[in-house]
Amino acid sequence: SAVISQKPSRDICQRGTSLTIQCQVDSQVTMMFWYRQQPGQSLTLIATANQGSEATYESGFVIDKFPISRPNLTFSTLTVSNMSPEDSSIYLCSVEVADYEQYFGPGTRLTVT
Amino acid sequence: AQSVSQHNHHVILSEAASLELGCNYSYGGTVNLFWYVQYPGQHLQLLLKYFSGDPLVKGIKGFEAEFIKSKFSFNLRKPSVQWSDTAEYFCAVKNYGQNFVFGPGTRLSVLP
Repeated sequence: SAVISQKPSRDICQRGTSLTIQCQVDSQVTMMFWYRQQPGQSLTLIATANQGSEATYESGFVIDKFPISRPNLTFSTLTVSNMSPEDSSIYLCSVEVADYEQYFGPGTRLTVT
Repeated sequence: AQSVSQHNHHVILSEAASLELGCNYSYGGTVNLFWYVQYPGQHLQLLLKYFSGDPLVKGIKGFEAEFIKSKFSFNLRKPSVQWSDTAEYFCAVKNYGQNFVFGPGTRLSVLP
């Protein structure tokens, strides 16, 4: 298993600003993922972040908007850049451990005004 | 690309009623199937998973799911729900070499 923490837990930001979300895992993991969960909807994968390589972005998500860092095997950050109200969502970090099991962080609830 | 559908957006049951939540995925091959649950105010957690073998898998809290390959389905069941089962339930599929794909979720409300 894995225990994941995220900071901040929530934030209210102004349009045009950027927010960096931190994800910390209690053990070393190779694969980390960032998801977005919009209100009342399912999870959408933003990108996969593996240590030592560039993040891989899913269709519809670009590095300029969602830059990701993965400096070591227990930590990652996701930045939401130049925010607009459409970026209001819950952002989730997850890790994949044995047998494809994913463990999720508590999420960061972002509101953009 | 893989897709996952869940039959019901919102299910309302009384305590002790039986539960079945539908999940279908779009194509076959070797799939790994999961049900995740998100209780109010909590983060997603794994309920159960299927990789191979017995198509009837048992998970935590009395939940089980049946994999029916011919129907591309992986329905979640519980014989008697409790108020504490009120949550959002997500079916997810992972094909070999692909990322997870989550269904839209089913909100379950259990009335005391």
